[in-house]
Amino acid sequence: EVQLAEFGGGLVQPGGSLRLSCVASGFTFSSHWMSWVRQAPGKGLEWVANTKQDGGGKYSVDSVKGRFTISRDNAKNSLYLQMSSLRAEDTAVYYCARLQVVPAGTAYNYYYLDVWGKGTTVTVSS
Amino acid sequence: EIVLTQSPGTLSLSPGERATLYCRASQSFYSSYLVWYQQKPGQAPRLLIYGASNRATGIPDRFSGSGSGTDFILTISRLEPEDSAVYYCQQFGDSPMCSFGQGTKLEIK
Repeated sequence: EVQLAEFGGGLVQPGGSLRLSCVASGFTFSSHWMSWVRQAPGKGLEWVANTKQDGGGKYSVDSVKGRFTISRDNAKNSLYLQMSSLRAEDTAVYYCARLQVVPAGTAYNYYYLDVWGKGTTVTVSS
Repeated sequence: EIVLTQSPGTLSLSPGERATLYCRASQSFYSSYLVWYQQKPGQAPRLLIYGASNRATGIPDRFSGSGSGTDFILTISRLEPEDSAVYYCQQFGDSPMCSFGQGTKLEIK
C-alpha cells in the first residue's frame, strides 16, 4: 500500500526550530517529486515547498524562504522540512504529499498531489 | 504570482441536486495545471481532478471538471451526503511552484 507518514511535530517557542520527517512506503520514493503543504487551524491549504527526485531542485513559498528548508534522503525513503525562526503564524498541520509530474502532451505536464500523509501538528507558542 | 479565487464560499444543497463550484485565476495558464481536491473534517485532502478535467483513480463519474484559461469549474452531480466537504482548487501555472484557492464548503442538507 502506498503510504506517507509524518513525524516530528510538537510545541515550540517563537524563534525556535523543528525538523519534520515524512517516511514513504509502497512506492519508489526516489522517482517522485515530493511536497509539503500546511493548514493553519480553521484555514485553507497552503503550499510550503517542493523538491525534485534527486533533491537538487527545491522551491518554496515566499513566506518561508530563508527559514524553512526542504530536503530528502532517498536511501531512507524520507522527506524532511527543517524549520527555523518559527513564528506564531507557522502554527499548522503539516502534510507531506507525493507530487506527480506526468507528461500531458509534447509541451506540458500534469502536476498533482496524489498521495497525502495524515499530517503532523506544529504549534508555535510561548 | 497566480492567485486563485473560489466561489461561492459556502454552498448548501440537497441530496440529488447538482453542485457547481468555481475557481478563477488572476492570470491565464494551461489547463493541465489545474487540480481539484476534496477535504473532509479531520482528514487529509483527497485528489479528485487533475488537468482540469481528468478524474483521479477511484473518483466517481458524478465528479467532473471543466474550464480553461482563467475560469475552471468543478461539477458534482447527484449529490450524496458523503459529498459534504471543503473543495480546493490548486494551480501549477507557476510550476513547480503552486498555490491553492481558499476553498468552497459544500453542505448537504
